Amino acid sequence: AQSVTQLGSHVSVSEGALVLLRCNYSSSVPPYLFWYVQYPNQGLQLLLKYTSAATLVKGINDFEAEFKKSETSFHLTKPSAHMSDAAEYFCAVSVRTGNQFYFGTGTSLTVIP
Amino acid sequence: NAGVTQTPKFRILKIGQSMTLQCAQDMNHNYMYWYRQDPGMGLKLIYYSVGAGITDKGEVPNGYNVSRSTTEDFPLRLELAAPSQTSVYFCASSYLAGGAGELFFGEGSRLTVL
Repeated sequence: AQSVTQLGSHVSVSEGALVLLRCNYSSSVPPYLFWYVQYPNQGLQLLLKYTSAATLVKGINDFEAEFKKSETSFHLTKPSAHMSDAAEYFCAVSVRTGNQFYFGTGTSLTVIP
Repeated sequence: NAGVTQTPKFRILKIGQSMTLQCAQDMNHNYMYWYRQDPGMGLKLIYYSVGAGITDKGEVPNGYNVSRSTTEDFPLRLELAAPSQTSVYFCASSYLAGGAGELFFGEGSRLTVL
């Protein structure tokens, strides 16, 4: 079975500070991993994805994530938070043997001016 | 660039009523999905389809039905609405098999059952 755990349902950072959102997954087969962002009253948009190429994945708006197989983690980082980064962030996993995507419960990011 | 289009955006239903949420995509994607989003629960898969005429259940299919007669359209039917179906519903599509391609989401349909 596949599952995704996002540690911390709410994270607050100061503007200009490092953003770190945590995601751990469980999968019986090598996974594909994704981070999505959701702004208020909108659908989800892809930030970045890991599909077994480089373990350090760069996405839009200076976000990046590192796939660590030994830790079963795919944490999302950004060096310097902007006010516009305030949103809900979802980690998701899919597996090569199926067509389903499994989502974490989300982390709400607040950026303090 | 329409992408994934959902209608209606908002709807209020009475208990026991039925309705259909419409979803259409213009990207020629084979894979389509319906999710519901509840506060603090993330997204739960209701049904998905890997192509016209093929549908399958997700994690929370009870109380819902789907059909996929064309590549473009994937409507979600709610029969006998219940308060537990109050949620935000998202339709999504993807272009690669095996979950390798990212999901493209619609803007959501907010349903309230009273």
